[in-house]
Amino acid sequence: KAGVTQTPRYLIKTRGQQVTLSCSPISGHRSVSWYQQTPGQGLQFLFEYFSETQRNKGNFPGRFSGRQFSNSRSEMNVSTLELGDSALYLCASSLLIAGTDTQYFGPGTRLTVL
Amino acid sequence: DQQVKQNSPSLSVQEGRISILNCDYTNSMFDYFLWYKKYPAEGPTFLISISSIKDKNEDGRFTVFLNKSAKHLSLHIVPSQPGDSAVYFCAASASSNTGKLIFGQGTTLQVKP
Repeated sequence: KAGVTQTPRYLIKTRGQQVTLSCSPISGHRSVSWYQQTPGQGLQFLFEYFSETQRNKGNFPGRFSGRQFSNSRSEMNVSTLELGDSALYLCASSLLIAGTDTQYFGPGTRLTVL
Repeated sequence: DQQVKQNSPSLSVQEGRISILNCDYTNSMFDYFLWYKKYPAEGPTFLISISSIKDKNEDGRFTVFLNKSAKHLSLHIVPSQPGDSAVYFCAASASSNTGKLIFGQGTTLQVKP
């Protein structure tokens, strides 16, 4: 089975711009979670989608949003980019229908905001 | 509030010896715990997990121990190999909080040949 894929792998943007990142989960996985990794804050949960619905959300401003399509692929969008948004953005997929399950991560998208 | 803590930022062990990585948590609602291995600029790779109904889980060279009363888990790697050198993260989740993993800060393991 192919793993979780993320595109693009690297992005450079300037302050004020917006960006869209894409994630394709493992085949059959319906839950997709997004995380931000920075040196200062570590790995932090952004949100989780299941069957095209956001089921859970972390403590990030409304500039961070996401969606999931009927084929379980997910996108996250960051609007009005700030320097502090520079980070590695990771997506993870799992079968997770309810309760807890193992999440498998993609390689990440490295976003640099200048 | 750091709900999952890895108090040792780094650990160095000799090849062939045991590596023990520790993790503490504060939230008693956590019922599933995982360990991931990570290289810089890559996504975390799943290693092993344990449910709160168990106190031990083994997979090859990796064993995870869970002490619920102490809210403590540990990952044992035996024997350690140079290829195990990486950052190790423990993570916790709660059934009531779907899709959300809470990560520790990570421990950098160096295995010397």
